Amino acid sequence: GAGVSQSPRYKVAKRGQDVALRCDPISGHVSLFWYQQALGQGPEFLTYFQNEAQLDKSGLPSDRFFAERPEGSVSTLKIQRTQQEDSAVYLCASSFWDRGIVSGANVLTFGAGSRLTVL
Amino acid sequence: QKEVEQNSGPLSVPEGAIASLNCTYSDRGSQSFFWYRQYSGKSPELIMFIYSNGDKEDGRFTAQLNKASQYVSLLIRDSQPSDSATYLCAARDPLTFGQGTILTVHP
Repeated sequence: GAGVSQSPRYKVAKRGQDVALRCDPISGHVSLFWYQQALGQGPEFLTYFQNEAQLDKSGLPSDRFFAERPEGSVSTLKIQRTQQEDSAVYLCASSFWDRGIVSGANVLTFGAGSRLTVL
Repeated sequence: QKEVEQNSGPLSVPEGAIASLNCTYSDRGSQSFFWYRQYSGKSPELIMFIYSNGDKEDGRFTAQLNKASQYVSLLIRDSQPSDSATYLCAARDPLTFGQGTILTVHP
């Protein structure tokens, strides 16, 4: 597609439920990132994929968070046993090259985000 | 300490004025820096990137980078009400964002 697509746009979960958030990056983009943005804050890095390989998951806040990109395109962020502090907008972004390429052309394009509210 | 810090704001300027947004970073190894604009309820969109010391101009926007001082800034000339948004400074790698500065341009 023309842009990064995320679904669902809005998700309300009861505390303790599992949720799955989907990201469909721009076709051909090697790099895929997940970010968490709490209200009034900047996005916080969660994890990074280069094709199907998860090369950096240093930002995942707990082992309840899990991400995958099995075929190097669509990615899913799964949150198990959701807690109220998980309420945030989850942003997915993709870029054409590996994240280490320092080039103005290697910029991130963000999706519209998935807003998760945990009651 | 957060790796990328922005002046907290919010910042309010009159239409036509220059808006100055500032950012410092702690990782001397960071090589490239980005300014994103985020309208309320929307995703961040790239305004400019810079990776060489000095100034870089693009229309009404000028990014400034001083690696010795670990300082990045964004100047918006002839500010318009449509510039009202949250401005996010970011450094690679991975792309790490500051907390954002809310800019309001009033007519």
